[in-house]
Order: sequence, then structure tokens, then C-alpha cells
Amino acid sequence: GDSVTQTEGQVALSEEDFLTIHCNYSASGYPALFWYVQYPGEGPQFLFRASRDKEKGSSRGFEATYDKGTTSFHLRKASVQESDSAVYYCALGHSGGNYKPTFGKGTSLVVHP
Amino acid sequence: NSKVIQTPRYLVKGQGQKAKMRCIPEKGHPVVFWYQQNKNNEFKFLINFQNQEVLQQIDMTEKRFSAECPSNSPCSLEIQSSEAGDSALYLCASSRGREEQYFGPGTRLTVL
Repeated sequence: GDSVTQTEGQVALSEEDFLTIHCNYSASGYPALFWYVQYPGEGPQFLFRASRDKEKGSSRGFEATYDKGTTSFHLRKASVQESDSAVYYCALGHSGGNYKPTFGKGTSLVVHP
Repeated sequence: NSKVIQTPRYLVKGQGQKAKMRCIPEKGHPVVFWYQQNKNNEFKFLINFQNQEVLQQIDMTEKRFSAECPSNSPCSLEIQSSEAGDSALYLCASSRGREEQYFGPGTRLTVL
């Protein structure tokens, strides 16, 4: 079946550091890939998506590139801020008719001032 | 910004009691999902609907959990007999189908 692996469970950075959160997936065909962010006390928010090989998604300074060769969709940001502290989820869209996506386990990002 | 509405935000029940929560999906979104999020932030898919029809549900949902999405009424998720292990954040999300999901703020259930 489909799966999403986020390597880092927790990441701690200082403001203005470079962020990378690794996401690898396993699925057949060309699934859509998504990043979501969840701030404390809120539901997850859609960040951006990509649907085909080499497509780059981006929003709010975050970006990720769909790489079918390495089955990856790593999240990056050049300079993090304290307000970016949240849990980030990589997700894979299901190609079947039930629409059920597969979420990674999430990466908790803490940015220190 | 998401316009998925979930009520109540907090729910406290004793073991064996019924717990019911509601969700109004975004307008124009025919697919509705329910998830259970545990203290480790992990998502557990419970059930999803397209319009009023169940698309998929897990075994746990089939036993103590029931859910519906009637036309012109909020969707609902009900736990017939709450257990301590049901304490979690219950998230409702809606989408147009294979596209991104929009989540509500969740209902925090505590079973004493």
C-alpha cells in the first residue's frame, strides 16, 4: 500500500536557520503530494501541493519539489522564524476512488529566537 | 483560510457515555473525512463520505463509532460508548475529491 516517511520527528533551529524536513513516499503512478502545517490548538492547514515530476510547490517561503526518481518531496525554507514553530505533515493523495490520503507521522519544528 | 466548522471544540464524557460531534464542511466540497489525532500527533483515518454515501471506513468505526452526512444538515461522528482510549482530537476535513483537504479546528474529546 501507499506510505509516507518523514525522517525527522523533531527539529530544533534558531531564527534565520535553513530548514529541511525530509519526506519520502511509496506509491504507484503519479500521486499528488501535499504539505500541511498544524499550529498549536488548530487543525492542519494546507500549505501547498505538487502533482507531477519536477513540479515545485511553494507558499509562505516554504517550497518542495516533486522528485519521482528519488520518491521525495522534501520541505525547505531558507530562513525560519519563531512563528514557523508548528508540526508539518507530508501527505500523499490516493489515486483510487475513495480519496483517502496517506499522512506522514509529522515533524515538530521548534524555532528559538 | 478553512471554513470547516466543528462543534463543540471541547467535549468531556464519562466512560460508557455517548459522545457526539458535528462538522459543517466547506461549501462545494462533496467529500468529508473524519480523523482521530492522538497525543503523538499521528492521524488515524476513521471514515469518509462523498455527499451522503460512505466511501471507506475502518473496522473500529464499524463497531462503536457511527457517522453520517445527511443532506442539508451537519455531518456527525458519534461514539456510542466512550472509552478512555478514545480521548483524542477529532478532526473533520473536506475536499473536492483528490485535491487538498481543508480541516476544521477539531473537537477535543476527554473521556474520564
